[in-house]
Amino acid sequence: GAGVSQTPSNKVTEKGKYVELRCDPISGHTALYWYRQSLGQGPEFLIYFQGTGAADDSGLPNDRFFAVRPEGSVSTLKIQRTERGDSAVYLCASSRQGGSYNEQFFGPGTRLTVL
Amino acid sequence: AQSVSQHNHHVILSEAASLELGCNYSYGGTVNLFWYVQYPGQHLQLLLKYFSGDPLVKGIKGFEAEFIKSKFSFNLRKPSVQWSDTAEYFCAVTGDTGRRALTFGSGTRLQVQP
Repeated sequence: GAGVSQTPSNKVTEKGKYVELRCDPISGHTALYWYRQSLGQGPEFLIYFQGTGAADDSGLPNDRFFAVRPEGSVSTLKIQRTERGDSAVYLCASSRQGGSYNEQFFGPGTRLTVL
Repeated sequence: AQSVSQHNHHVILSEAASLELGCNYSYGGTVNLFWYVQYPGQHLQLLLKYFSGDPLVKGIKGFEAEFIKSKFSFNLRKPSVQWSDTAEYFCAVTGDTGRRALTFGSGTRLQVQP
């Protein structure tokens, strides 16, 4: 079956601009996670959705970052007033249910470059 | 807060050599442990996981890992590596309380020379 998909695969923007990154989870997966991976580092947690609600947004670095999942499926990560330090690969993962025992399946990521 | 340390940042081996990648975690409660692999140009995918029971866990492609609670370690091993094992390997942890998302180590880049 189809895996987790993310669009766009690459996004280049200028400092100060607004960007949206989209994630389509595996059908039927209720849990969705966003991570950010900087060069030479492991993925870092940003936010976790269980259904439509953000169950844990403690990883969002500041209030320029926001994510939604209005219908409990597709999610959009929104970054306002982008900064050069936001450049990274943004990964999305989904799992059948929330909780720490469920395998997370990762998408290919969106590489964001802020000039 | 939980954390994961991977001390080997870059490992170079010849084919047929044995592999052991170190992973140490810090967490006060019951942990679930994972190894993920990212082949060049591909997604992160799960190699193996430990939740409970036998501390020696076998995963895909001949990989195994041993959970040693007293050492807070979950090292990844493979008796004989192949060129196709060239990839980046990430150790990760979740806990039974608090954050449900994965906490990753910084990764180990494995390069297998033919």
